[in-house]
Amino acid sequence: DQQVKQNSPSLSVQEGRISILNCDYTNSMFDYFLWYKKYPAEGPTFLISISSIKDKNEDGRFTVFLNKSAKHLSLHIVPSQPGDSAVYFCAARGSGSARQLTFGSGTQLTVLP
Amino acid sequence: EPEVTQTPSHQVTQMGQEVILRCVPISNHLYFYWYRQILGQKVEFLVSFYNNEISEKSEIFDDQFSVERPDGSNFTLKIRSTKLEDSAMYFCASSTRTGLGELFFGEGSRLTVL
Repeated sequence: DQQVKQNSPSLSVQEGRISILNCDYTNSMFDYFLWYKKYPAEGPTFLISISSIKDKNEDGRFTVFLNKSAKHLSLHIVPSQPGDSAVYFCAARGSGSARQLTFGSGTQLTVLP
Repeated sequence: EPEVTQTPSHQVTQMGQEVILRCVPISNHLYFYWYRQILGQKVEFLVSFYNNEISEKSEIFDDQFSVERPDGSNFTLKIRSTKLEDSAMYFCASSTRTGLGELFFGEGSRLTVL
């Protein structure tokens, strides 16, 4: 079941530059999308979310873009900092009563000083 | 800041033994979840719980699994007879009254089945 896909297992970026993490989904019933950050031996930590009625949401250094027609979302981090190095998971929630999240496989971001 | 807490952080058990993983969700949250992550794989949904009953469960959550909210604060996941393939990190999560928005995750309980 690959309803949420993160095709890049890893990404390296220089400190201060922009990090762009991508996510694709196949289920058109998803109506809410989230990005989580995860450090080793810790639980996922919520970063930012976007509803399907929007195409952009910004929170400080983090911006999420949603392209519904392409079933694609991306997370932009600018400027990237070494502390941003972690695994980033894209997640999606379906409409209706189901509230569980479907996660992508994650992208390991490494920000090089 | 309120947080979801989980115990134990790591449990090692023999195959066939029963395991109970415990979680204390954020106090004013009403939706509770268990997810798991097998090493190297994605985070997978197991079960959601609302109003003292299971609201959704995945195909992973078979008869060997059960959940309970024995009192006003704890939320437990029981595996009756553990199998080797149950070895994983188990995450508890909770969300607000509406169940919408983000889920807040605990730090996880690592289960190792020998």
